Amino acid sequence: GAVVSQHPSWVICKSGTSVKIECRSLDFQATTMFWYRQFPKQSLMLMATSNEGSKATYEQGVEKDKFLINHASLTLSTLTVTSAHPEDSSFYICSSRAFFGQGTRLTVV
Amino acid sequence: GESVGLHLPTLSVQEGDNSIINCAYSNSASDYFIWYKQESGKGPQFIIDIRSNMDKRQGQRVTVLLNKTVKHLSLQIAATQPGDSAVYFCADVTNKLIFGTGTLLAVQP
Repeated sequence: GAVVSQHPSWVICKSGTSVKIECRSLDFQATTMFWYRQFPKQSLMLMATSNEGSKATYEQGVEKDKFLINHASLTLSTLTVTSAHPEDSSFYICSSRAFFGQGTRLTVV
Repeated sequence: GESVGLHLPTLSVQEGDNSIINCAYSNSASDYFIWYKQESGKGPQFIIDIRSNMDKRQGQRVTVLLNKTVKHLSLQIAATQPGDSAVYFCADVTNKLIFGTGTLLAVQP
């Protein structure tokens, strides 16, 4: 299957700082990527759809100024959690087509 | 609204037994589904998919059944092994990739 690589796999940051998560498609071009958030023992919640060369589409209730998405090339989408707070601590996962990255564990202290 | 849900949050089986994980969906227009396996701290892993023009699809040790009349999916795992222990999700991939609640499969040796 297609390979999606996500980096970093985990990150710890201080409250108020911003964190960038990268999602790369390694063996195919991805015009669309999806970003999810997952809390412990819960399902994946779709946050936004990242579109190459245009603005991301956010799901209801997701703050676009809080979770900045950039999809500048056909192989890379980034999610930046701005002014992170402890409640932003979660597992963030990207996907393209039906395949997922390894996920990023974000801990805000 | 659209939703995909699971009947059983936890399933415990003996090694070597067959496992059946169920999933219900609400959108009668949904026509493409994927089953994923997620191990702790990792992204979801594609297991098997099925389209609405089929009612059964088999893979290696796994079978997915689709009953469009009652909007129900199931994943059957034959001869369950300890390595099958994980959370299993069904996902409606018709438009966006919407995940169900998830079932934790615990395989007892």
